[in-house]
Parts: sequence; structure tokens; C-alpha cells
Amino acid sequence: DAKTTQPTSMDCAEGRAANLPCNHSTISGNEYVYWYRQIHSQGPQYIIHGLKNNETNEMASLIITEDRKSSTLILPHATLRDTAVYYCIVKEIQGAQKLVFGQGTRLTINP
Amino acid sequence: KAGVTQTPRYLIKTRGQQVTLSCSPISGHRSVSWYQQTPGQGLQFLFEYFSETQRNKGNFPGRFSGRQFSNSRSEMNVSTLELGDSALYLCASSLGGAGDTQYFGPGTRLTVL
Repeated sequence: DAKTTQPTSMDCAEGRAANLPCNHSTISGNEYVYWYRQIHSQGPQYIIHGLKNNETNEMASLIITEDRKSSTLILPHATLRDTAVYYCIVKEIQGAQKLVFGQGTRLTINP
Repeated sequence: KAGVTQTPRYLIKTRGQQVTLSCSPISGHRSVSWYQQTPGQGLQFLFEYFSETQRNKGNFPGRFSGRQFSNSRSEMNVSTLELGDSALYLCASSLGGAGDTQYFGPGTRLTVL
């Protein structure tokens, strides 16, 4: 079973920041938080991951709370091409190469 | 670098047949994982190969098998196809270390009639 909880769907206006929350209250100290997204019927695309510090790359920012029980993925200036299902996944640092996907959040960017 | 490639992209089979899907990982990646995605069950892990050995396995029947070659390319085989095997089959590659990121291919859409 997935160890994360995400809202089923969200909407965001084009050009605004999209903030996608994820709850992982049972996360342990040796687990990363990963974010992937999947645009309709394509393979999941890696976005970002982090352990306890906030992370930023060219696609997004990842904010992890101090207690690590939740995180937020931020797409700073959403475009229509960001419409996708976003998956938040926790994965052990030393664990198997196995990603456990939940149902994700269906993000719709509106013009 | 070229991304993960999967062939074929689309496939139609009938019940009882078998099928082989192929995955070429990113150059230098030694781990290949396979996933099945269906509307009902979502994305589920099938198995992972590393250095030609199956390293991890999900909860799927023995009809699902795979192998990896010395160049890290991997194949997945499904025997005695059932209607429920209709799905998007995805492979992902990584360097193989526990903390290494997996990158997915575009998938193979299998339809079983």
C-alpha cells in the first residue's frame, strides 16, 4: 500500500503557482520523498526528490515540513502542459528499486 | 543521452497467446524495473533486474517473467494471456543504487482480445 495521501484532484489557473500537498505521516528517517507526474498515457516523468531539506530544480520546488510528515510540490508558473497526474512517493534510501504508487492528484491547469 | 525506449509501443493479442516486450535503458544504467498500469489497480511493480539477475519481485503470477541481457536491455514475457492483462506496461531504468532515481520509458500498450 502507498504510504502517502494526496487530494484526488486540484485546479490551478495558468500562470499561477500550483501547490500540491502530500501527507506522509508515517515516513521514517531513511525514506526519501519523490515526485513524479504522468501526462495522459505516457510514462511517469521524474520531477524532484528530497530527504529533509527543501529542494529546487528547473521544474519545481519541494518543501518538506520540519517533522517530515508532509510536503508540498510547487510548480511556480503553471502552464497548460503541466496538466497531469502527480504522484508523491516515499522510498527507502537503502530499499529495493520499487516505487509504490498511490492514486495521485489530478492537476488541471485552466486557461 | 537518449531516454528509456520500449518496443513495441502498441500490441494487440488474443487470449491464450504469449507476448514479449522489450526495454532499452538509459546508457550506463544497470537496473531495469517493470510496472503494470491498469485503470483498476493503478501502477504496480512487477519486478526489477540488475546485472542480469532478478533482484526484486512484485505480487504477480508466474505467467509474468523477465530477463536482462549483458548490455542491460531487458525483456518481459507474459504467457497464456488473459483479458485482465490488458494494460500499459512501463519500464524504468536507474544506475541501480538504492538511492538512485528511476526514469521511465513511454510504455507499451497491450490489448488482449
